[in-house]
Amino acid sequence: RKEVEQDPGPFNVPEGATVAFNCTYSNSASQSFFWYRQDCRKEPKLLMSVYSSGNEDGRFTAQLNRASQYISLLIRDSKLSDSATYLCVVISNTGGFKTIFGAGTRLFVKA
Amino acid sequence: GAGVSQSPSNKVTEKGKDVELRCDPISGHTALYWYRQSLGQGLEFLIYFQGNSAPDKSGLPSDRFSAERTGGSVSTLTIQRTQQEDSAVYLCASSLERSPYYGYTFGSGTRLTVV
Repeated sequence: RKEVEQDPGPFNVPEGATVAFNCTYSNSASQSFFWYRQDCRKEPKLLMSVYSSGNEDGRFTAQLNRASQYISLLIRDSKLSDSATYLCVVISNTGGFKTIFGAGTRLFVKA
Repeated sequence: GAGVSQSPSNKVTEKGKDVELRCDPISGHTALYWYRQSLGQGLEFLIYFQGNSAPDKSGLPSDRFSAERTGGSVSTLTIQRTQQEDSAVYLCASSLERSPYYGYTFGSGTRLTVV
């Protein structure tokens, strides 16, 4: 089993739709979580951190469920410009920090 | 600099040749990471630097791969005797320090093609 798993998609949604991605992690000692966005043939860019209490940034909401060991990203009112691959990142500290990137979920928003 | 700078942006090399990839991190960032990403795949960790030392080089795929960092700043990833399976985008990232609280800033990568 991979340490961080994401549904590869692709998710094809119309503009204005709400879409949610989940990411599961296997290491219960994981302590920090992030979502990155990667556009086609570009580098990943930090989208948002994920806090235990959940956090929101405009149309984006990130949540953490430690009991079930998953994080989620919700995008409301999706725009064409949201089309990208969304990478889940999990950092654990077991004998040193270890950062694991998920393989990403592809999102296509259509007009 | 304002961001992480990588050079060259593209490199085509013949199988068996050596290549050097350069990364200039954000000024003041002590932690530097190299990843590679094959087409349509996720990020594969290669090596991590804290200052000039590399406490974690567990991701280097073979002894053909090496990296160094000098002056706590610029890093060079060297691939000797390149093979076709080395073709990928090599991404460098830096962060203020290696901590669970800081995200990474990535450079735009070097696209390596071995022919």
